[in-house]
Formats: sequence, structure tokens, C-alpha cells
Amino acid sequence: GAVVSQHPSWVICKSGTSVKIECRSLDFQATTMFWYRQFPKQSLMLMATSNEGSKATYEQGVEKDKFLINHASLTLSTLTVTSAHPEDSSFYICSEKRQGAYEQYFGPGTRLTVT
Amino acid sequence: GQQLNQSPQSMFIQEGEDVSMNCTSSSIFNTWLWYKQDPGEGPVLLIALYKAGELTSNGRLTAQFGITRKDSFLNISASIPSDVGIYFCAGVIQGAQKLVFGQGTRLTINP
Repeated sequence: GAVVSQHPSWVICKSGTSVKIECRSLDFQATTMFWYRQFPKQSLMLMATSNEGSKATYEQGVEKDKFLINHASLTLSTLTVTSAHPEDSSFYICSEKRQGAYEQYFGPGTRLTVT
Repeated sequence: GQQLNQSPQSMFIQEGEDVSMNCTSSSIFNTWLWYKQDPGEGPVLLIALYKAGELTSNGRLTAQFGITRKDSFLNISASIPSDVGIYFCAGVIQGAQKLVFGQGTRLTINP
């Protein structure tokens, strides 16, 4: 069964507002969570790596002040898109990785549309 | 940075046919993963490969970790309609946590 959940599954917001997306590990063994963005007909693009209790590591070109990541508990990481603009409209997917493992398990994704 | 070249980009086949796709890189990977993504969903892990030369099956799916550690392939035998989707390869460089993804192979099946 699914080991990662995301909420909401889709969201529509107005330009200039902020949106929070939750990523929750369901098997309580996640040590690292990752946030990806995927545009239509493209591959997944890693945005940041998140570990509990520490600051997220952002990929080059990803604005950390715009995409705020909080990983306050072992099983929950949140991504907040601040001051959203239409170009932020995308499919956001989180994943988890257990300590010592290489494979990542993905959530179902969140479709963000900014109008 | 590291890149994975995945081919073909798309395939149009008849139901019942076998499918083959592969990923190559100029870099060495110590883990290869194959995922399938359905529209509007997150990728689902199909097969994980950890050793050079390893050949692993999951039902009608078979994947191999290339001897050079720079490539991997995925075969699907006797395709069925539910095999439709986008298949991604992903590799992990030794010592790294991040996945490097291929561009994806979009599989379409004609009934």
C-alpha cells in the first residue's frame, strides 16, 4: 500500500497568495523527504531535500524564500509556495527515503493552479 | 551534472507485444530504479537494482543493471492495456541521496 500521502491533491489559488502542501510518511520510517516539481510532459525536477529538524537543502535555481520547506516531525514535511504566480502552476510531488536505502517512494502529487 | 539518456521517448505498440527501453549515462551509478507514472499520479517503484549485472523480474517486467554500471534496461513482456503510462529510470550515484531521472518513455498501447 501507499507509504506517502499528500494533501491537498489539487488546489487553485489566486496570484499573490500562499499555498501549503503537506507530505506525510505513513510507515513512520522516513528519514529524508524530497520535493519535486513536474511540468507537463517533462521529467521530475528535484527542488529540495528535507530532513527532520534541519534546514532543507535546495537545488540550484530554486528560491528558498519562495518555496518554504518545514520538516518539523519525522513523518511530516510541508512545502509552502509563497506569493504564488501563474508560472508556479505545476504538479508538486514529495517522496521519502529510509535511512540506509536508496529507493524513494513517492506521494500521489498535488496539482497547483495559480490564477 | 549527471544526466540519464532514456530511450525511446515514446512507444506505440499493439497489445501483447513486448517492450524494451533503456537508460544510459556517462556517469557510474550504484543503484538503478525503474518507476511507472500514471496520469495525475506520483511515480510508483517497479524494480530496484543494486549490483552490476543484476537481472531482476517483477511479474512481466524484467530489468538489468548494466555491467559497466552506466546503463540499465527494462523489458515488459506481453503488454496489456494497464501497462500504459510513463516509465522513468532513475540512478543514484554512490554517496549521494538524490535520484537522477531519465526523461521518461511514454508507452501507448493500441488494443
